[in-house]
Amino acid sequence: GAGVSQSPSNKVTEKGKDVELRCDPISGHTALYWYRQSLGQGLEFLIYFQGNSAPDKSGLPSDRFSAERTGGSVSTLTIQRTQQEDSAVYLCASSASGGPLLYNEQFFGPGTRLTVL
Amino acid sequence: GQQVMQIPQYQHVQEGEDFTTYCNSSTTLSNIQWYKQRPGGHPVFLIQLVKSGEVKKQKRLTFQFGEAKKNSSLHITATQTTDVGTYFCAGRSGNQFYFGTGTSLTVIP
Repeated sequence: GAGVSQSPSNKVTEKGKDVELRCDPISGHTALYWYRQSLGQGLEFLIYFQGNSAPDKSGLPSDRFSAERTGGSVSTLTIQRTQQEDSAVYLCASSASGGPLLYNEQFFGPGTRLTVL
Repeated sequence: GQQVMQIPQYQHVQEGEDFTTYCNSSTTLSNIQWYKQRPGGHPVFLIQLVKSGEVKKQKRLTFQFGEAKKNSSLHITATQTTDVGTYFCAGRSGNQFYFGTGTSLTVIP
């Protein structure tokens, strides 16, 4: 596709439910990032995938958060037993390369706005 | 832990005035990127700085990376209403990009 796409664009859920957020990166991009942006705040790094390597999960805020990337392309971020403090915009970004020589721009998707009631 | 601080948080300027936002890291960065996010939009890449003391210009925008690779600045000369948005720095350390809290720029016509 022309850019990074994310779905759904909006998700409203009840506290305690699980949610899945999807990211389709730009074709051919090997690096994929998930960020969380709370209202009026900066971006909080969650997780980083580079090719087929084990992901860097060091930014995940709790064990309720997990992410996978199938076939080195599409990624899914799963939040289990959602809490109200999980409400935020979840942004996905992809980049042409990763690893220690990561000097490429990140292309962001439009984000998924998650509201936990 | 790693922190990237950005100041000011908000800036209101008259159209035509200059604007500067500053980014400071607690640790040395391998590179730094700058992004612009329009209201309701997603971050869009502006530039990347890699070398110590590097200065890059894009028309009215000037970007600097400090000698110690711990700080950076973005300066806009003669702001225009199209410059409105939030400007984020993102410092890379290891595999992670640490985003600053952003500076929200309002330009008053």
